[in-house]
Amino acid sequence: AQSVSQHNHHVILSEAASLELGCNYSYGGTVNLFWYVQYPGQHLQLLLKYFSGDPLVKGIKGFEAEFIKSKFSFNLRKPSVQWSDTAEYFCAVESGGYNKLIFGAGTRLAVHP
Amino acid sequence: GAGVSQSPSNKVTEKGKDVELRCDPISGHTALYWYRQSLGQGLEFLIYFQGNSAPDKSGLPSDRFSAERTGGSVSTLTIQRTQQEDSAVYLCASSRGQVYGYTFGSGTRLTVV
Repeated sequence: AQSVSQHNHHVILSEAASLELGCNYSYGGTVNLFWYVQYPGQHLQLLLKYFSGDPLVKGIKGFEAEFIKSKFSFNLRKPSVQWSDTAEYFCAVESGGYNKLIFGAGTRLAVHP
Repeated sequence: GAGVSQSPSNKVTEKGKDVELRCDPISGHTALYWYRQSLGQGLEFLIYFQGNSAPDKSGLPSDRFSAERTGGSVSTLTIQRTQQEDSAVYLCASSRGQVYGYTFGSGTRLTVV
């Protein structure tokens, strides 16, 4: 069965620190990869997505993610976080033909000013 | 509409009662998804609609759960004889195609007492 693992359940950073959130998936075929963000009291929003092409994907608000096929990973990065990045981040995978997103358990990020 | 609309936003029900949750997707979005988000858990897939048909209902936890979609638009998720473990946030998402990702609603927070 497909699964998505997010290794960090809770991350606490100070403003201006660099961020990397891990995501690994367990499917060997063609995959589409996503990161979603849920700010406090708001609905889930798409942060970035990868379908094909350049494995380094840039999203909104300075976030980027790198698809490394050999490692089945799609880690999310941001060079310098802000207090407003405090949110829960979800990695999701859609494997070819399944037509549904499988989500990881999420990572809660708290950024202190 | 401009976004995915879900109603009610909050629902408190007594154990054993039936509840009906409604999702109004973005106009023109042919795909519709229901997910469940429990406290501290990721998003659990429930069911996927393409038009009015449900090619994947593998995530429905039991036969107390059912869903339908009419006119390729509004969907209702029905939970019969609710149990306390059904307490969660039920999220609906719609999409016009894989390339575009999903747009999520704000969810219905269901509490079974």
